[in-house]
Amino acid sequence: QALLVQSGAEVKKPGASVKVSCKASGYTFTAYGISWIRQAPGQGLEWMAWISAYSGNTYYAQQFQGRVTMTTDTSTSTAYMELRGLRSDDTAIYYCARADDLSWFDPWGQGTLVTVSS
Amino acid sequence: EIVMTQSPATLSVSPGERATLSCRASQSVTSNLAWYQQKPGQAPRLLMYDVSTRATGCPARFSGSGSGTEFTLTISSLQSEDFAVYYCQQYNNWPPGTFGQGTKVEIK
Repeated sequence: QALLVQSGAEVKKPGASVKVSCKASGYTFTAYGISWIRQAPGQGLEWMAWISAYSGNTYYAQQFQGRVTMTTDTSTSTAYMELRGLRSDDTAIYYCARADDLSWFDPWGQGTLVTVSS
Repeated sequence: EIVMTQSPATLSVSPGERATLSCRASQSVTSNLAWYQQKPGQAPRLLMYDVSTRATGCPARFSGSGSGTEFTLTISSLQSEDFAVYYCQQYNNWPPGTFGQGTKVEIK
């Protein structure tokens, strides 16, 4: 079955960048896209971005445009999300999830905690 | 951007009872609505898509209904493993795939 495994927790200083990876297995990577969704401590889910693993086309939520970049490496079936200019309110668990465009999210990665602190 | 509003924020239910969760969209999302379950310390898990289609592994006690702007997730007889936070998500107007703020189902 499809499985997404994310990289480990990160601690960053304000202004730094973080790059989180999401390795897919159990399905044809290029047949779907990958979305990134984050969850601040004790809060709900916030969609950030989507990338087609086939074409590389991307969509970004308006509040993250200019600060986030998504990429994929089809040779390793891995998606990456880089967030720049980190602020304390970027402290959150970042999830990747398989998704077509105009679609639901399934499955989800286990999440990567990113802590931004001076 | 479509705004998804869930109610109630918290639902207190006894095991074995029925739970009804609501999700309202600020404009029609036709039938492009999903539900997720999230337990503490875990990633969300897809329960339902296209309003009423159960995802693989979703028990039959979960059912979804609605269309347009009003949707309901019903758990017919709550089991101990069902106490969690539930999120609705629309994918009709995309991006973004907006989520509701969640309903916590807790033990009464």
